Amino acid sequence: AQKITQTQPGMFVQEKEAVTLDCTYDTSDPSYGLFWYKQPSSGEMIFLIYQGSYDQQNATEGRYSLNFQKARKSANLVISASQLGDSAMYFCAMIPYNTDKLIFGTGTRLQVFP
Amino acid sequence: NAGVTQTPKFQVLKTGQSMTLQCAQDMNHEYMSWYRQDPGMGLRLIHYSVGAGITDQGEVPNGYNVSRSTTEDFPLRLLSAAPSQTSVYFCASSYSNRLMGNSPLHFGNGTRLTVT
Repeated sequence: AQKITQTQPGMFVQEKEAVTLDCTYDTSDPSYGLFWYKQPSSGEMIFLIYQGSYDQQNATEGRYSLNFQKARKSANLVISASQLGDSAMYFCAMIPYNTDKLIFGTGTRLQVFP
Repeated sequence: NAGVTQTPKFQVLKTGQSMTLQCAQDMNHEYMSWYRQDPGMGLRLIHYSVGAGITDQGEVPNGYNVSRSTTEDFPLRLLSAAPSQTSVYFCASSYSNRLMGNSPLHFGNGTRLTVT
């Protein structure tokens, strides 16, 4: 069965510092996609970044990068130069491409302090 | 461009009542899905559809029905509400079931449902 694990319920980081949010996954499908979403306190879900299982390079989108270690089945999100507006819940998600189901982890609440 | 629209935003039901959560998208997306979000459990997939006339079960389908008679609409029906169905419900869509960076899920703003 497919599974996503986020072991950090909460994280704190000081403004302007970098932070890594952990995500591990389990799937037997060699072809899959990995996503990170942000959910601010207002409740909407915001797509941040995507990594395909066959992508050779780690994905980057502005201050967000995905540290993809395929052999270890991990897809950690790195946020550089944290801002107060980064305070939110962050969800890792995976879709094995032999299914049509995007499965989410339980999330990590990030708090950025001045 | 409205994107994914969910109605209502809030709803209170009594145990045993039925209701339909509405979801509509105006992006001509083929793929649509429903999630529920509960504290400490993340988002769990209820049902999904890869196109009009096609639906399938997700992780937690019991107690919910869906239909997809048009590309635009994907309503979620609770036939006999239970307190365990108290949750925030999200509808999401994508133009392809093969979700990728250029076709991520676009989410509605959610419906907060309380069953007493």
